[in-house]
Amino acid sequence: ETGVTQSPTHLIKTRGQQVTLRCSSQSGHNTVSWYQQALGQGPQFIFQYYREEENGRGNFPPRFSGLQFPNYSSELNVNALELDDSALYLCASSPGLAGGLTYEQYFGPGTRLTVT
Amino acid sequence: AQSVTQLGSHVSVSEGALVLLRCNYSSSVPPYLFWYVQYPNQGLQLLLKYTTGATLVKGINGFEAEFKKSETSFHLTKPSAHMSDAAEYFCAVYGQNFVFGPGTRLSVLP
Repeated sequence: ETGVTQSPTHLIKTRGQQVTLRCSSQSGHNTVSWYQQALGQGPQFIFQYYREEENGRGNFPPRFSGLQFPNYSSELNVNALELDDSALYLCASSPGLAGGLTYEQYFGPGTRLTVT
Repeated sequence: AQSVTQLGSHVSVSEGALVLLRCNYSSSVPPYLFWYVQYPNQGLQLLLKYTTGATLVKGINGFEAEFKKSETSFHLTKPSAHMSDAAEYFCAVYGQNFVFGPGTRLSVLP
């Protein structure tokens, strides 16, 4: 069983640019959530995708957008990057909404984004 | 709306000593509560969870936590710290989505 993988591991972008981060969910999982973890803080919920549809969004502006593909992998896109977007971006997959009622989610190792 | 507070951004204990990491939550609905651990340069790993049933829950690596509704608390404990327990620990509550606390960094001194 393959765990959650994310790419790239590190990324450096310039303010105003656009970035795409990728996540492959664990086998059998149809739900993917994205989180932003700023340095020294806990993860903050960005949004969740369930069966290719957005299902819930946190307090993030529209320049944060996402996609989920038929194989349940997912992308996080951020437009017009700002310095405050520098963070670790975590993807978590789960076997259905609310973790298939187990409320469990499995995290990838994250993508470290630095905006200069 | 849900929220989580974790008292102490950094806790240091000696190897073999009791570990106590504090978590208090606010929730307008019956809470589902979680503790996650994060090792350097890694994602989060679930330690334990409370959803329903017994209020004392046991997790991996010898950790346990007790849900106390009257105190709105879900403190994490381990009787004897090991060097490998050094990591960042996050308490989280699930409502419509997961809300994480700011984290507590645990250091274990030899």
